[in-house]
Amino acid sequence: QVQLLQSGAEVKKPGASVKVSCKAPKYLFTGFYMHWVRQAPGQGLEWMGWINPDNGGAKYAQKFQARVTMTRDTSVTTVYMDLSGLTSDDTAVYYCATGDMTTVRDYWGQGTLVAVSS
Amino acid sequence: QSVLTQPPSVSAAPGQKVALSCSGSNSVIGNNYVSWYQQLPGTAPKLLIYENNKRPSGVPGRFSGSKSGTSATLGITGLQPGDEADYYCAAWDGSLSVVFGGGTKLTVL
Repeated sequence: QVQLLQSGAEVKKPGASVKVSCKAPKYLFTGFYMHWVRQAPGQGLEWMGWINPDNGGAKYAQKFQARVTMTRDTSVTTVYMDLSGLTSDDTAVYYCATGDMTTVRDYWGQGTLVAVSS
Repeated sequence: QSVLTQPPSVSAAPGQKVALSCSGSNSVIGNNYVSWYQQLPGTAPKLLIYENNKRPSGVPGRFSGSKSGTSATLGITGLQPGDEADYYCAAWDGSLSVVFGGGTKLTVL
């Protein structure tokens, strides 16, 4: 069963921003890192970064450093991934997944399709 | 172009065993743990192996992981049609980033 529940599909124009949410049960929200991984159509997995929900600290892949922000809201045990300056290359399924600092691990969201098209 | 190199495709017959490779550099695979993921068509990836050779609960013993030097291997024995999937390796790259291999498509003939 789905442990991490992600927000629904989005269609965005080039240059816009998108915010994807990932709601976790309380027992997966603390004590774990939340990673974001994306997969373009027909392509492989690409790591974007993680956020530590316990303190809000985040680490981003260098490729996304300038335009990604990961945040969390502890009151609703939800993490968010905000990606700005969208281009068609950002069309992908975005996954959240629990893990530790160095490994994406056991629980994954169902994925959120973000389509960027003019 | 991925930091971790995997063969694009591998095929084998049901019941056979297969070894999927993942090669990288000393700073990535050599000094860090490797994990493996299975992605069935249309689904989210699933963790198969972590810390080079450990299986999460629920993952069958037919799946095994090993590492030597700058390469890692996912072994699958007793291949089943349901094992047909994409398989990805991943590791910490030593500079606060996770890197994935390009993935191997396993076909069970």
